[in-house]
Amino acid sequence: ETGVTQSPTHLIKTRGQQVTLRCSSQSGHNTVSWYQQALGQGPQFIFQYYREEENGRGNFPPRFSGLQFPNYSSELNVNALELDDSALYLCASSLVGDGENIQYFGAGTRLSVL
Amino acid sequence: AQSVTQLGSHVSVSEGALVLLRCNYSSSVPPYLFWYVQYPNQGLQLLLKYTTGATLVKGINGFEAEFKKSETSFHLTKPSAHMSDAAEYFCAVTPYSSASKIIFGSGTRLSIRP
Repeated sequence: ETGVTQSPTHLIKTRGQQVTLRCSSQSGHNTVSWYQQALGQGPQFIFQYYREEENGRGNFPPRFSGLQFPNYSSELNVNALELDDSALYLCASSLVGDGENIQYFGAGTRLSVL
Repeated sequence: AQSVTQLGSHVSVSEGALVLLRCNYSSSVPPYLFWYVQYPNQGLQLLLKYTTGATLVKGINGFEAEFKKSETSFHLTKPSAHMSDAAEYFCAVTPYSSASKIIFGSGTRLSIRP
């Protein structure tokens, strides 16, 4: 158990809809990162938040957006869903300044876009 | 820029046999290296990490990996495979001392034959 919790576990949406995924960071962590893992592939970095501000972004379009709250929980929002957005979305929390840069992952939210 | 290459998308070994999963990385700065394991329908669990210091690192469940800078490799080994080791394994790299995105390899699926 990493202490990182994600909700919901599974989600089914239709093309064009919007979705919000949620993540609760491990206690004491101040950074959250989001990854997309398509079937049969490794996770791909979407973006990272540190102290409520975006701190790096991968090669994902602007319809992928996020928020980090004062309690360090986080949301991933995806607008105008496309079929290719179907994937496992992973949240990872870490502590900036601990010198080890270890990210601890939640179990993920599996999104299916029909 | 950083990248990770995992050689072999699928490795099959007999129970009790040596497990060797290969990983090569590319990094323009000293890297932090990780191996994560993913069991079916679950998130990523950290197996072991190399940050600095000793190049042979030991992780959970009897796994270990050796950082070889000259070969840019970080292969994962276990002397004796167990049925419970069947899972997907990901090698990953991130810049030294930077709370940044993790770059994952495409993964190696490990199967264990009775």
